Amino acid sequence: QKEVEQNSGPLSVPEGAIASLNCTYSDRVSQSFFWYRQYSGKSPELIMSIYSNGDKEDGRFTAQLNKASQYVSLLIRDSQPSDSATYLCASVSGGYNKLIFGAGTRLAVHP
Amino acid sequence: DAEITQSPRHKITETGRQVTLACHQTWNHNNMFWYRQDLGHGLRLIHYSYGVHDTNKGEVSDGYSVSRSNTEDLPLTLESAASSQTSVYFCASSGQTNTEAFFGQGTRLTVV
Repeated sequence: QKEVEQNSGPLSVPEGAIASLNCTYSDRVSQSFFWYRQYSGKSPELIMSIYSNGDKEDGRFTAQLNKASQYVSLLIRDSQPSDSATYLCASVSGGYNKLIFGAGTRLAVHP
Repeated sequence: DAEITQSPRHKITETGRQVTLACHQTWNHNNMFWYRQDLGHGLRLIHYSYGVHDTNKGEVSDGYSVSRSNTEDLPLTLESAASSQTSVYFCASSGQTNTEAFFGQGTRLTVV
């Protein structure tokens, strides 16, 4: 079992809709979780970090963490074609500070 | 501005040759990471370091080595390049435990 799992997609949503991206992790003691966006041919860039159970909002982005279910999600409201990218979920492996990534979910926002 | 840079950006090498990819950061971060990215696999951790003279193996470390002689640099060496090591390599750094990492621009390595 991979430490961080994501559905590879592609996830296709119409412009203006809410895109929902999901991630599960296996290390129960993981404390920190991150969402990165990666455009084709570019390096990953951080868009959200979350450390506590519940929701964290930043503009059109909301990260949700449920440690009991070992589940992290990212909601993108009012999706734009410029949001089309691969979204990578990452967690810091408990106790080792290893940043482990999922395989990424490709999001396509169509006009 | 502080940054993290990788060199070269593109490299073509022959099977069996030794190759070193450079990574340099000016944030004074303790933690540095090397990943490879292949289609369908996302970012896979090769090696990581918590500080000077500290190195640790990641999930795909076979055929790779690193050394950390100062805070700023973590070079990645392929001892004897193989075609299976054709990939895009990313270096990243983070300042403290459990904090986000920042990535370099990547190096595209082709082994022929």
